[in-house]
Amino acid sequence: DSGVTQTPKHLITATGQRVTLRCSPRSGDLSVYWYQQSLDQGLQFLIQYYNGEERAKGNILERFSAQQFPDLHSELNLSSLELGDSALYFCASSEGWDYAGDSPLHFGNGTRLTVT
Amino acid sequence: AQTVTQSQPEMSVQEAETVTLSCTYDTSESDYYLFWYKQPPSRQMILVIRQEAYKQQNATENRFSVNFQKAAKSFSLKISDSQLGDAAMYFCAYRSPDYQLIWGAGTKLIIKP
Repeated sequence: DSGVTQTPKHLITATGQRVTLRCSPRSGDLSVYWYQQSLDQGLQFLIQYYNGEERAKGNILERFSAQQFPDLHSELNLSSLELGDSALYFCASSEGWDYAGDSPLHFGNGTRLTVT
Repeated sequence: AQTVTQSQPEMSVQEAETVTLSCTYDTSESDYYLFWYKQPPSRQMILVIRQEAYKQQNATENRFSVNFQKAAKSFSLKISDSQLGDAAMYFCAYRSPDYQLIWGAGTKLIIKP
């Protein structure tokens, strides 16, 4: 168990709708990262927050937004959903803002989003 | 642009044998980090091993070791004494200077009993 909690595990919704994915980082971790994994693909980095502030931005669509709250949990909002948004969305956390050193990434089990 | 390529969509190995998964990457940087992650059917990404580019010595973690060839931009993962629990998707990833992780498409590892 990584200590990172993502809810819900599965989400099925229709095109044009809006959904919110939630992530609770591992206790003590200040950074939260969001990744998208489409079928048979590696992960695509979306966005990182560190202690409530946006730290880095990847290939995140304008229809997507995220925030990290004072209790350090994070939410990823996906709006005007399209069929191509169907994917696994992972949240990861790390203690610091640089995960390559002694502060590795810890991943949640992901949210499977299906847009019909 | 930085890219990570895993040329083997699927590999299979007999239990207790050794298997090597390939990964190549493209970067103009001299200092960076490389990772291998495992994704079992439970979907969770699990860090297997990490390599710092400025370190010449290949990283090892129990049955897992890497062959890091910096000049060739190659970062292969060797799994010794393969076990059924090693069956998973394996992803190679490169950390860019702006701290983004660039991922390969993955290799599905099948362990034959």
